[in-house]
Amino acid sequence: EAGVVQSPRYKIIEKKQPVAFWCNPISGHNTLYWYLQNLGQGPELLIRYENEEAVDDSQLPKDRFSAERLKGVDSTLKIQPAELGDSAVYLCASSFQKNTEAFFGQGTRLTVV
Amino acid sequence: QKEVEQDPGPLSVPEGAIVSLNCTYSNSAFQYFMWYRQYSRKGPELLMYTYSSGNKEDGRFTAQVDKSSKYISLFIRDSQPSDSATYLCAGSKTSYDKVIFGPGTSLSVIP
Repeated sequence: EAGVVQSPRYKIIEKKQPVAFWCNPISGHNTLYWYLQNLGQGPELLIRYENEEAVDDSQLPKDRFSAERLKGVDSTLKIQPAELGDSAVYLCASSFQKNTEAFFGQGTRLTVV
Repeated sequence: QKEVEQDPGPLSVPEGAIVSLNCTYSNSAFQYFMWYRQYSRKGPELLMYTYSSGNKEDGRFTAQVDKSSKYISLFIRDSQPSDSATYLCAGSKTSYDKVIFGPGTSLSVIP
């Protein structure tokens, strides 16, 4: 069974440019998470979806970040415009439901120059 | 003060050693505690999951939670080079609440 698939694996962009990350969760998983992981730190939750509904987006910087999960399956996370401080690994995770084990993808490593 | 704290290491041990990884937390509402393992350039994977205080054993791994002192430990017996990774401890208030991660401890097991 395929795990959580994220793309791209690596992305280098200039500051002020837009960037988008894509996540395909494990089939049948209703809950999807986006996390931010800075170097030497643990993941920090940005947003959690239950099916297509964003139920916890309190940590998402809404002035520049947006996310969507159309049809309750795949999800995209967008940053516009990117800033130097956005350089980090963006992790997607999914779980069957909100109180079951979450499985992480390999992440997208973003470098803003 | 971060809600979950860990010594970042790096911790280096010889193969076969017993490893002790420790973590403290400040949120007394935490009831669920987790240890994740994260290999380089990979996402974290759940290693151990415990509820409230007590011990839980799974193969070579033992997790201990002491809620009175807000202290979490992970013991690895007969450590192997394949155990070399970053170990993240985490806590949450309920089984479906936001999980708060520590910064991780980097472990190297030397053959």
